[in-house]
Amino acid sequence: EAQVTQNPRYLITVTGKKLTVTCSQNMNHEYMSWYRQDPGLGLRQIYYSMNVEVTDKGDVPEGYKVSRKEKRNFPLILESPSPNQTSLYFCASSFSTSGFSYEQYFGPGTRLTVT
Amino acid sequence: AQSVTQLDSHVSVSEGTPVLLRCNYSSSYSPSLFWYVQHPNKGLQLLLKYTSAATLVKGINGFEAEFKKSETSFHLTKPSAHMSDAAEYFCVVSDRGGGFKTIFGAGTRLFVKA
Repeated sequence: EAQVTQNPRYLITVTGKKLTVTCSQNMNHEYMSWYRQDPGLGLRQIYYSMNVEVTDKGDVPEGYKVSRKEKRNFPLILESPSPNQTSLYFCASSFSTSGFSYEQYFGPGTRLTVT
Repeated sequence: AQSVTQLDSHVSVSEGTPVLLRCNYSSSYSPSLFWYVQHPNKGLQLLLKYTSAATLVKGINGFEAEFKKSETSFHLTKPSAHMSDAAEYFCVVSDRGGGFKTIFGAGTRLFVKA
C-alpha cells in the first residue's frame, strides 16, 4: 500500500530534550516536506526537500533541522524543543504530475507536546 | 510571493443545499492550486487540483472548483451538501517560482445541519 508513515504518532517531552520525528514514504517520490498545523493558522511549511541531499527552508524553519540522506526518509529534528513547538506535525511527499503540480500525500500526523 | 486567503473561517449549510468555500490567491508565476479536506482527527486528503489545463476542475465526492485568473480566485463548490462533508477545507498554492514551497490557507470549517 502506497503510504507516508510517521513515528511517533504522539510524543510528550520536556524543554531542551532533543527529539527526532521520522517520516518515510514508499512511493519513490522525489519531493518531501514537513508542516506544522496550529489552530487558525492552517498548515505552515517548515522545510522541504526536492531530492536526496537537497533541502530548503519553508516559512517557519527556526528551531528545526532536517536531513535527506535517502530518498524514502526525511526526519525532522528538534535539537532543543521549546513549548512554542507544541503542535501537530505532518510529513508529505509528492511527485510532479505535469512539470510543477506538486500534489502531496500526507502522513497521519504527529502530535507533539513540549512541557 | 505566494499567498492564499480563505475568505470564511466557518461556513454553515443545511444538508442538501449548495456549498461555496471561497479562496483568493496571489502568485508571481503560473500557480498550481489545490483543495484538501481534513476530517476531524484525520490526515489530509486531496479533493482536486488545478494545473493550467481546464479552468473548471472536478474532484472527488461531487466537489468542483473554477480557476478565475482575472479574479485570482479558486472557489470550491458542491451542488448538494451531505452530512459527511462536515470537515475543514484548505486552499493551497504552489508555483514553479517557489520550487516546492507551498502555502496553505488558514482553512474553512464546514458545518452541515440536518
